[in-house]
Amino acid sequence: DAGVIQSPRHEVTEMGQEVTLRCKPISGHNSLFWYRQTMMRGLELLIYFNNNVPIDDSGMPEDRFSAKMPNASFSTLKIQPSEPRDSAVYFCASITGRQGYTEAFFGQGTRLTVV
Amino acid sequence: AQRVTQPEKLLSVFKGAPVELKCNYSYSGSPELFWYVQYSRQRLQLLLRHISRESIKGFTADLNKGETSFHLKKPFAQEEDSAMYYCALIRGNQFYFGTGTSLTVIP
Repeated sequence: DAGVIQSPRHEVTEMGQEVTLRCKPISGHNSLFWYRQTMMRGLELLIYFNNNVPIDDSGMPEDRFSAKMPNASFSTLKIQPSEPRDSAVYFCASITGRQGYTEAFFGQGTRLTVV
Repeated sequence: AQRVTQPEKLLSVFKGAPVELKCNYSYSGSPELFWYVQYSRQRLQLLLRHISRESIKGFTADLNKGETSFHLKKPFAQEEDSAMYYCALIRGNQFYFGTGTSLTVIP
């Protein structure tokens, strides 16, 4: 398995534009997380899916942010409209919950710059 | 509520010196705790987990339930240990991460 795959790796966009970040979790993992990483606040949980269903989206900062998981192998995080303060690295992670062994596997991240 | 606290945002030590990265947690049940590491511009990866009671890259971490701590330690820091370290706790299938400590090992 290639691990958790995120695209794009880098995104530079102008303020006001729509941005879509993509994530392919590891096959067989039934939980998926979106995190935002900044120097000031570290790693913040944005939203968490279990079996494709959003369980906790209390970390989504504003209505400008939305996330979907239409099937077990794909998730998107959308920002519309984007703002400079959204600039950060966005990570997707999926979890294997094998009995007695749980580990979160992270993607390489998408570095978003909003100018 | 579950919470993981890493009091130090930045930590610098000289090569060969001991290093300790602090982590405290609050959790009502029996916690399962982890340390994740992120080398420069790479993905986060699991460093160690408390239930394994293992030493990885010379690092160890002991769960102290009395002090609700899970500090990460290494007796002799190496330059390649410079990275971002995150302490994490899991409840059900949800991971709770601390804000991270950036470790710099000075040659």
